[in-house]
Amino acid sequence: DTAVSQTPKYLVTQMGNDKSIKCEQNLGHDTMYWYKQDSKKFLKIMFSYNNKELIINETVPNRFSPKSPDKAHLNLHINSLELGDSAVYFCASSLAHLSTSGETQYFGPGTRLLVL
Amino acid sequence: SQKIEQNSEALNIQEGKTATLTCNYTNYSPAYLQWYRQDPGRGPVFLLLIRENEKEKRKERLKVTFDTTLKQSLFHITASQPADSATYLCALRNQAGTALIFGKGTTLSVSS
Repeated sequence: DTAVSQTPKYLVTQMGNDKSIKCEQNLGHDTMYWYKQDSKKFLKIMFSYNNKELIINETVPNRFSPKSPDKAHLNLHINSLELGDSAVYFCASSLAHLSTSGETQYFGPGTRLLVL
Repeated sequence: SQKIEQNSEALNIQEGKTATLTCNYTNYSPAYLQWYRQDPGRGPVFLLLIRENEKEKRKERLKVTFDTTLKQSLFHITASQPADSATYLCALRNQAGTALIFGKGTTLSVSS
């Protein structure tokens, strides 16, 4: 009963290709996120969706496009992949969007993307 | 802009000792601060949340303090075990309230 799942776990592809990563949560949460963790292990927010609506779009190239078909799914599509896109991408979810009371985030296992 | 720093990239201690990890932040006062654990090849797992009006929070062998004057949180693991070896991340909500900002983490190694 995986709470937050991502597919694929590993993705090796050539520069210039387009790829997608899928994320699903079965926790009944309203909010989902995409994070990027680079080679220095720095975890940075990319996007946040609350009830299928985009909340955050950090400084991310527009080659990255999130799509939320329903509140249990948040997919990430990447166009024209570049070498610098190589990283681990984590999906996460929380019960509601960040509030002053604090929302615990539940992370998926990550997708390791390697662009050659 | 908000900054969050975890001073040590790595911390090595002997089994049974107390590990103390530091998280400092600048530029504003967050309503709360969270600590996560990340094992190699896995996503972060939530451990503890401490609010600005709480000085200390405990959970089993874990203890977190929050000093809003010093803008610092300390994370303690008492009676540490090799199974505690992992990377520990602190995180706080950004000032806009739209995202969690994570520190770079401290990798703890507990040797037997």
